[in-house]
Amino acid sequence: AQTVTQSQPEMSVQEAETVTLSCTYDTSESDYYLFWYKQPPSRQMILVIRQEAYKQQNATENRFSVNFQKAAKSFSLKISDSQLGDAAMYFCAYRSEQERDDKIIFGKGTRLHILP
Amino acid sequence: GAVVSQHPSRVICKSGTSVKIECRSLDFQATTMFWYRQFPKQSLMLMATSNEGSKATYEQGVEKDKFLINHASLTLSTLTVTSAHPEDSSFYICSARDLTGWSYNEQFFGPGTRLTVL
Repeated sequence: AQTVTQSQPEMSVQEAETVTLSCTYDTSESDYYLFWYKQPPSRQMILVIRQEAYKQQNATENRFSVNFQKAAKSFSLKISDSQLGDAAMYFCAYRSEQERDDKIIFGKGTRLHILP
Repeated sequence: GAVVSQHPSRVICKSGTSVKIECRSLDFQATTMFWYRQFPKQSLMLMATSNEGSKATYEQGVEKDKFLINHASLTLSTLTVTSAHPEDSSFYICSARDLTGWSYNEQFFGPGTRLTVL
């Protein structure tokens, strides 16, 4: 069974600084998707970034980028120029590429605090 | 972008009553929807996968007679918490999978429903 591990329950970063959230996962599959979701106080799940496992290039979305290390099964999220609105719970997640098994498996989350 | 709605956003009920939560895909058809439960300061835990026109697939440990799921159309899935008890109080989130258009195979999340059982 696939598992997703986030070892940092909470992190803090100064506004405008850069922070990296860690995530490791375990799977025996070769094709899958990895995600970072943001859950602000409203509790609406927001997709931050997505990475297809077959792509070697790391995904980027504006200030958000990932460091995807497939062999090491590591998928960290880097947030550059942190803003107050980035404060939220961040979940790393895994999904198989198999359509018949496309449930999303979430890590336990990292609560990110932005210090003004 | 694809939008998923949930109704109600908050519900308070007495112990022993049943509560129905609706999940709708507003601008796309969803053959598959997912129901999650989230306890305070915890992660999302998948309860069941809802497939249009067929029985839901429940995760291990989830009581199917307690949490009734109906996916009667391509845009609507419902979760009914039967004979609710205080321990059922939680935040329930649905997601819907879009199999068409630009967001092929993407999942979109509803805003969640907070259930409080007194």
